Amino acid sequence: QKEVEQDPGPLSVPEGAIVSLNCTYSNSAFQYFMWYRQYSRKGPELLMYTYSSGNKEDGRFTAQVDKSSKYISLFIRDSQPSDSATYLCAMSETGGYNKLIFGAGTRLAVHP
Amino acid sequence: GAGVSQSPSNKVTEKGKDVELRCDPISGHTALYWYRQRLGQGLEFLIYFQGNSAPDKSGLPSDRFSAERTGESVSTLTIQRTQQEDSAVYLCASSLDAGSGNTIYFGEGSWLTVV
Repeated sequence: QKEVEQDPGPLSVPEGAIVSLNCTYSNSAFQYFMWYRQYSRKGPELLMYTYSSGNKEDGRFTAQVDKSSKYISLFIRDSQPSDSATYLCAMSETGGYNKLIFGAGTRLAVHP
Repeated sequence: GAGVSQSPSNKVTEKGKDVELRCDPISGHTALYWYRQRLGQGLEFLIYFQGNSAPDKSGLPSDRFSAERTGESVSTLTIQRTQQEDSAVYLCASSLDAGSGNTIYFGEGSWLTVV
């Protein structure tokens, strides 16, 4: 079993939809949780960085962490075609970026 | 430069040959990371440099892989006697330091194909 599980999709939604992306994990020592967006043939870019359980909002993006269920989510409101990308969750026991454990990524397509 | 720069962007090599991949981090960033991304998979940590400290090599998959960093600048990832399973995107990233809250910036990757 992988430490971090993420449905690879693809997920196809119409423009304006609310998108829900999820990851589950098995290591209860993970405390720091991140979401990255990766466009085709580009490097990942950090979208959200959260510590422990709770919600964090940034514009159209909301990250949720439920440590008791070992489950994290990223919600995208009012999705746009420009949101079409692969979304990767990542997590670590410490706050640094070394030895991040990544999910396999979910491919999202938002069609006009 | 403005971002993390990697070269070559694409490399096709024959099985058994050595390859060198180069990373130029953002100026002033003391932390540098190499990750590998196989097709359809998440990123796997390879190695981490922080300033003048000894690098964390715990993610290197075999002794065919090595990396160096000159001070707080350029890093080179070397793969000796390449195998087909080495085909992947090799991503370099940098951050101000490895502390929490600092944003990490990835390069666009070096796409390696071993034939």
